[in-house]
Amino acid sequence: RKEVEQDPGPFNVPEGATVAFNCTYSNSASQSFFWYRQDCRKEPKLLMSVYSSGNEDGRFTAQLNRASQYISLLIRDSKLSDSATYLCVVRQTGANNLFFGTGTRLTVIP
Amino acid sequence: EAGVAQSPRYKIIEKRQSVAFWCNPISGHATLYWYQQILGQGPKLLIQFQNNGVVDDSQLPKDRFSAERLKGVDSTLKIQPAKLEDSAVYLCASSDRGWDGYTFGSGTRLTVV
Repeated sequence: RKEVEQDPGPFNVPEGATVAFNCTYSNSASQSFFWYRQDCRKEPKLLMSVYSSGNEDGRFTAQLNRASQYISLLIRDSKLSDSATYLCVVRQTGANNLFFGTGTRLTVIP
Repeated sequence: EAGVAQSPRYKIIEKRQSVAFWCNPISGHATLYWYQQILGQGPKLLIQFQNNGVVDDSQLPKDRFSAERLKGVDSTLKIQPAKLEDSAVYLCASSDRGWDGYTFGSGTRLTVV
């Protein structure tokens, strides 16, 4: 079983739409959670950390459900510039490296 | 601050040849990682260094891959001999807080033909 599982998409949404990505992780000992963004042929960049209480950064909202081992990312009022692959990332307790999901590809259409 | 530098950006080699990638982390970052990203997949850790010591190389195919980080700064990753399935982007990342605050380099895209 994979450490982190995501729906690979693609998600094609019109500008202004709200889109949600989901992710599940297999190890209940996982401690830290992140969403990374990766543009085509570019390196991954940290979008936001995910906290147990949920957190928001502008149009982006991340949620964590430890009981269900589930992480989500909500993007409101999608912009063309949001088109990218969104990677769900998990760090396990006691580990120093990150486990990446396969990524969910988003295309925002004019 | 300058980012993580990697070279070359692209490399095409024939199978069974050898290849080396170079990474220069952000100044002062003690932790350095090499990740492999195959097309359509997320990055997968190959090896992690803390200063010049190896912390985790459990996913490194040691029969063909090797890596070193001399003097705790620059690092090189080598593949010898390369196989077709090694075609991927090799990403170097560094961090000054153990696991948080990863900064990735732009990667080296390897094609094995």
